[in-house]
Amino acid sequence: AQSVTQLDSQVPVFEEAPVELRCNYSSSVSVYLFWYVQYPNQGLQLLLKYLSGSTLVESINGFEAEFNKSQTSFHLRKPSVHISDTAEYFCAVSDRTGNTGKLIFGQGTTLQVKP
Amino acid sequence: DGGITQSPKYLFRKEGQNVTLSCEQNLNHDAMYWYRQDPGQGLRLIYYSQIVNDFQKGDIAEGYSVSREKKESFPLTVTSAQKNPTAFYLCASSIRGGTGNTEAFFGQGTRLTVV
Repeated sequence: AQSVTQLDSQVPVFEEAPVELRCNYSSSVSVYLFWYVQYPNQGLQLLLKYLSGSTLVESINGFEAEFNKSQTSFHLRKPSVHISDTAEYFCAVSDRTGNTGKLIFGQGTTLQVKP
Repeated sequence: DGGITQSPKYLFRKEGQNVTLSCEQNLNHDAMYWYRQDPGQGLRLIYYSQIVNDFQKGDIAEGYSVSREKKESFPLTVTSAQKNPTAFYLCASSIRGGTGNTEAFFGQGTRLTVV
């Protein structure tokens, strides 16, 4: 079984400041890792994913996440945030060895970017 | 445009009533999923289907039912047996459920409120 823990429920930050959203997971099997973003009253959009290869993955809008196997973490970072980054962010894992595509989600972190 | 359409966007249910949430996709995806979102709890899997005429229970299936008669459609019925149905419901699909690395695409969600 897998579980995902997002360590902060809310992260307030000023515009143009750096931010880190923390994600730790627990799993008895190897997993794929994902970050999704949700804007108010909308569905989820994939932000980035780690499948294999380089442990640092990047999104097109400046976010990056690093897979750390020893610490079972997949923290999300951005060096300079914008007001438009205000949203809820979900970390998720999927079983590599299974064949269902099911996602296990963390509780979510609300990023509040202030002017 | 290709995507997932959920309807209605808002739904109100009286105590004791069954209601059905619609989910349609034109992405030609084999796998479809229903998740429930509650504040501070992330998303939890209700049911999933990897192929037409087949579906499996997720982590919180009690009080819900689904059908998968067509590849593009995966309706969810919230029955009167669901004791706390007020939540935001999200439908998702992926190319196939055979591997965990396929990206899940989400609909815009249905907000169900019991009145």
